[in-house]
Amino acid sequence: GAVVSQHPSWVICKSGTSVKIECRSLDFQATTMFWYRQFPKQSLMLMATSNEGSKATYEQGVEKDKFLINHASLTLSTLTVTSAHPEDSSFYICSALTPTDSDTQYFGPGTRLTVL
Amino acid sequence: GENVEQHPSTLSVQEGDSAVIKCTYSDSASNYFPWYKQELGKGPQLIIDIRSNVGEKKDQRIAVTLNKTAKHFSLHITETQPEDSAVYFCAADGSGQNFVFGPGTRLSVLP
Repeated sequence: GAVVSQHPSWVICKSGTSVKIECRSLDFQATTMFWYRQFPKQSLMLMATSNEGSKATYEQGVEKDKFLINHASLTLSTLTVTSAHPEDSSFYICSALTPTDSDTQYFGPGTRLTVL
Repeated sequence: GENVEQHPSTLSVQEGDSAVIKCTYSDSASNYFPWYKQELGKGPQLIIDIRSNVGEKKDQRIAVTLNKTAKHFSLHITETQPEDSAVYFCAADGSGQNFVFGPGTRLSVLP
């Protein structure tokens, strides 16, 4: 299957700082990537859909100014959590669609964000 | 929009027994139903999927069945092994290219 990576895998930051998370498709070009948030023992919550070369589409209730998404190339999408607060602590997971199968999402390994 | 329910929330089986997880969905326009396995601290991994033009699909010990009329689909794992222990999520395609995930089932396979 297609491989999606995320960096970093775990990040700890101080309240008020910004954190950037990278999502890369390693062996394919992804015109569409998705960003999810997952709280402990809960399901995945879609935050936004990221399309290469255009603005991300955010789900209702997700602050676009707080969660900045940039999909500048066909293999990289970034999520920046701005002015992070402890309530932003969560597991952030990206996924990507392959060009050969527009239905299947391949997920990255996730990034655990802890805001002190 | 699409709503996906999943049962049970937790499931414990003895090694070698079968496990069945069931999901229902609300949008009759949904056509694609993947199942993901998520181990602790890792991202979800696609294990099997089914499209609406097929009623059943099997891959070794894993099978998925789909009843479009009743709008439900199920994951069947036979001859369970301890390494099958994980959280399993079903999903259905919603509007656009989005997925709507079920709440998950925590499967424990007891040795």
